[in-house]
Amino acid sequence: DAMVIQNPRYQVTQFGKPVTLSCSQTLNHNVMYWYQQKSSQAPKLLFHYYDKDFNNEADTPDNFQSRRPNTSFCFLDIRSPGLGDAAMYLCATSSVAGPNTEAFFGQGTRLTVV
Amino acid sequence: AQKITQTQPGMFVQEKEAVTLDCTYDTSDPSYGLFWYKQPSSGEMIFLIYQGSYDQQNATEGRYSLNFQKARKSANLVISASQLGDSAMYFCAMFRFGNEKLTFGTGTRLTIIP
Repeated sequence: DAMVIQNPRYQVTQFGKPVTLSCSQTLNHNVMYWYQQKSSQAPKLLFHYYDKDFNNEADTPDNFQSRRPNTSFCFLDIRSPGLGDAAMYLCATSSVAGPNTEAFFGQGTRLTVV
Repeated sequence: AQKITQTQPGMFVQEKEAVTLDCTYDTSDPSYGLFWYKQPSSGEMIFLIYQGSYDQQNATEGRYSLNFQKARKSANLVISASQLGDSAMYFCAMFRFGNEKLTFGTGTRLTIIP
């Protein structure tokens, strides 16, 4: 019963060829996140949505874009992938309920750039 | 800005022993949440336990407990009776209410020795 689903699990793309990663959720959470995680490093927040409000991290390259057409879906677009963009991309969702919250992750998409 | 510090890059623990993974944080916000996640070699980020800043009692989830010391700004994870399957990376993360950012520490690689 996966609650946050990322597709595909593995993606191979050519250098410079646009690629889109997708994330869907069945939790009805109002916040969705995209993280980039390189080998042996902590996840790095790229951007997040609070409902339709988009929040970009200051150091996220312009090469990375995101769309959230509705509550359930969020996409990560990499316009011109470089070799340095090879990484695990993690989607997460969270909700805020009173003073507490919960946050869950998808299984990740491992991106290879050739 | 919020900062999460995990000072143990790696730990080796004998099977069946208890293990404590350290996490300290820095924030001036009164309202925040602290998460621990487990990341096995497959890459998925598995939720373990959550502690809200206003929670009076330490959180527990099965073999996992969180030693929350608010005045010291620490949120250490305790795993009781460790198992071989506990070998993984462990990340501490802080959620900030207001901008809904979820920020990660650098992680601790835990290896359980038979």
